Amino acid sequence: GAVVSQHPSRVICKSGTSVKIECRSLDFQATTMFWYRQFPKQSLMLMATSNEGSKATYEQGVEKDKFLINHASLTLSTLTVTSAHPEDSSFYICSAYGQGEQFFGPGTRLTVL
Amino acid sequence: GENVEQHPSTLSVQEGDSAVIKCTYSDSASNYFPWYKQELGKGPQLIIDIRSNVGEKKDQRIAVTLNKTAKHFSLHITETQPEDSAVYFCAANANTGNQFYFGTGTSLTVIP
Repeated sequence: GAVVSQHPSRVICKSGTSVKIECRSLDFQATTMFWYRQFPKQSLMLMATSNEGSKATYEQGVEKDKFLINHASLTLSTLTVTSAHPEDSSFYICSAYGQGEQFFGPGTRLTVL
Repeated sequence: GENVEQHPSTLSVQEGDSAVIKCTYSDSASNYFPWYKQELGKGPQLIIDIRSNVGEKKDQRIAVTLNKTAKHFSLHITETQPEDSAVYFCAANANTGNQFYFGTGTSLTVIP
């Protein structure tokens, strides 16, 4: 299957700082990328849908000013958690959609102290 | 919109036995049904998928069946091994859009 990378895999930051997570589709062009959040032992929670060259569509309850998404190219999307707080600590997973299939990145573990 | 339900939420089987996970969906427009395996601390990995023009698909020890009339599909793992232990997610998608709807996951434990 297609390869999707995420960077960093783990990040620890202080409360109030901003953190950027990159998602790249390595071997295909993704028309759409998705960002998910996952709490321990729970399912994937879709945060936003990101289409290349346009503004992201956020799910209800997700603050667009807090979770900034940029999808500048068909192979790269970024999620920036602004002014992070401990309650933002979670596992963030991106996925890339192309040719009718969805492939996930390995995830980023964010810990906010 | 689509609603995907998945059962059971947890499943324990003895090594060598079979495991079956079931999902139902509500939107008859859904026509693509992937299954993902998620190991601890990793992202979900696509393990098998099925489209609505077939009723069954098999890949070695893994098979998926689809009943369009009843709107349910199932994952079958035979001869389970400890490395099959993971969380499995089903999903549904209509090719008219790029939105995937996920089940709530099944935590499978294979007991050696």
